[in-house]
Amino acid sequence: AQSVTQPDIHITVSEGASLELRCNYSYGATPYLFWYVQSPGQGLQLLLKYFSGDTLVQGIKGFEAEFKRSQSSFNLRKPSVHWSDAAEYFCAVGADQAGTALIFGKGTTLSVSS
Amino acid sequence: DSGVTQTPKHLITATGQRVTLRCSPRSGDLSVYWYQQSLDQGLQFLIQYYNGEERAKGNILERFSAQQFPDLHSELNLSSLELGDSALYFCASSVVSGGRSETQYFGPGTRLLVL
Repeated sequence: AQSVTQPDIHITVSEGASLELRCNYSYGATPYLFWYVQSPGQGLQLLLKYFSGDTLVQGIKGFEAEFKRSQSSFNLRKPSVHWSDAAEYFCAVGADQAGTALIFGKGTTLSVSS
Repeated sequence: DSGVTQTPKHLITATGQRVTLRCSPRSGDLSVYWYQQSLDQGLQFLIQYYNGEERAKGNILERFSAQQFPDLHSELNLSSLELGDSALYFCASSVVSGGRSETQYFGPGTRLLVL
């Protein structure tokens, strides 16, 4: 069965420092991978997605993620964090069929210190 | 703004009651998904409709039901509500053109509080 693990429940990063949020997935075939962000009281906003091709994908707000099949990982990175990046981040996996439901990780809460 | 709208934003009701949550997908999207976000279970898929037909079911309770109407909006009905049903309910929509997983765009959610 598909599953997603986000090992870090809460991370605190200084403003201007780099960020890496970890995501590991379990899926037998080629996964479709997503990162969403949820600000307090808000819905889920898509940051980036990986379907195929280049394993390094660029997203909005300066985020990028790298798909590593050998490690079953899809970690999210940002070179310099801004205070407005404080939010909850969710990694999700979808099956390789059209229009299937997403399986989400438990999320990582990012706090940014000044 | 994702283009997915959900009403109401907040809902407070009592145990045993029934409520209806409404979702309008993005223009052109045929598929609607419902998810529940709670502190203990996280984000869980409930049910999916595609062009009016039920497509997939997840961890949806028998007390819950949904439908998608000809204009493609969807409603999630929750009945015999219990305290544990308090959660944030999200609707998402996608195109579903076949052959690959489509991006799902999420609405702002409906926060349900059962007292």
